[in-house]
Amino acid sequence: DIQMTQSPSSLSASVGDRVTITCRASQSIATFLSWYQQKQGKAPKLLIYSASTLQSGVSSRFSGSGSGTHFTLTISSLQPEDFATYHCQQGYDIPLTFGQGTNLEIK
Amino acid sequence: QLQLQESGPGLVKPSETLSLTCTVSGASINSFYWTWIRQPPGKGLEWIAFIHTSGNTKYNPSLRGRVTISVDTSNSHFSLKLSSVTAADTGIYYCAAVGLPQGYWFDPWGQGTLITVSS
Repeated sequence: DIQMTQSPSSLSASVGDRVTITCRASQSIATFLSWYQQKQGKAPKLLIYSASTLQSGVSSRFSGSGSGTHFTLTISSLQPEDFATYHCQQGYDIPLTFGQGTNLEIK
Repeated sequence: QLQLQESGPGLVKPSETLSLTCTVSGASINSFYWTWIRQPPGKGLEWIAFIHTSGNTKYNPSLRGRVTISVDTSNSHFSLKLSSVTAADTGIYYCAAVGLPQGYWFDPWGQGTLITVSS
């Protein structure tokens, strides 16, 4: 199985901050990487697929980059509604696997 | 707009079989791959299986053959059966559509249904 490791596991930041979350794959997954936002008690929401393609309707504050084994999700200027848990997911090989999640909290 | 809604029993006894259904609306069930994902309390996400109406299915080997996914095109829903459940199968179960190409990604998701395994 391809292991996905996110860092940090938790992060405190302030409104207006620029934040970057990293996701590393245990082997190359090309650009088959997606990012999801999950708010408390809600289902995950797709933000980015194919490593850098912004899903329709998602704020341009969110951006993704990377290829191979190293990927990043960047939020350019944190807004109050961005405080949530973020998950990465590889779509390259079966079984499809997720990172452990990054909990983004208000400082 | 594509929407998905899970339905399930809420509580299942250990060793029994869990049955879940996901109802699809707003698009043809023939248009996508469909998947189940679960999340144990306070933990991360685990992909379970996906299916296409062509019959193409893939399963997570970690579930050791306990899982069956199926699709009912006439009623626009797809289903999951998980046998021999234990407390470790407790969690929120989500259904979702699978996006292609460029790998597999999930959008949209249903709201999720909480399944508790307990006697």
